[in-house]
Amino acid sequence: ILNVEQSPQSLHVQEGDSTNFTCSFPSSNFYALHWYRWETAKSPEALFVMTLNGDEKKKGRISATLNTKEGYSYLYIKGSQPEDSATYLCAFGSGGSNYKLTFGKGTLLTVNP
Amino acid sequence: SQTIHQWPATLVQPVGSPLSLECTVEGTSNPNLYWYRQAAGRGLQLLFYSVGIGQISSEVPQNLSASRPQDRQFILSSKKLLLSDSGFYLCAWRSPGSGRSYNEQFFGPGTRLTVL
Repeated sequence: ILNVEQSPQSLHVQEGDSTNFTCSFPSSNFYALHWYRWETAKSPEALFVMTLNGDEKKKGRISATLNTKEGYSYLYIKGSQPEDSATYLCAFGSGGSNYKLTFGKGTLLTVNP
Repeated sequence: SQTIHQWPATLVQPVGSPLSLECTVEGTSNPNLYWYRQAAGRGLQLLFYSVGIGQISSEVPQNLSASRPQDRQFILSSKKLLLSDSGFYLCAWRSPGSGRSYNEQFFGPGTRLTVL
């Protein structure tokens, strides 16, 4: 059974603060690491798919890094806004042609105005 | 463009009743299809996935079953619901093919199931 851990479980920040979360995953048989943003009453929205050790991806104020050798990824949000409030999920991809995702429990971010 | 539909959006069912949740995808052919569940206090758990019509792989032994009668239709069923089947059910699709560029999974709007 693959173990994908996310920390912290929840986070409250003030508008304008920068923040980051951690995702840890197995360092063996790595294929890809996914980040999703999940707002209440909506579908999870794909943020990044990261495949190579040392990958860094950026979308607006959100960025992510990947270390496959030690099995962790960081998600950063610069200058948090209330609309960033959501659950951020990471998922470890495996399986090749029968590709499957194993999700962490997520980090619930609340940005207070 | 591709879209994914799920229905119903919410469902309240008594213990022991049957279940049928439907997922359809438009705008793509031969997608890989997935059913996930998020139970209270837990992460998203993969229940079933399918790489083609009639091909179903089960990830977790449980009270549920899945079927894929058509290329872009994925159905989650139960003959008799248990309290522990309550949760949020998400369907997802992925483009077929190999290579890491096809890894992205796209999710439907989900079904909130409450078993009483």
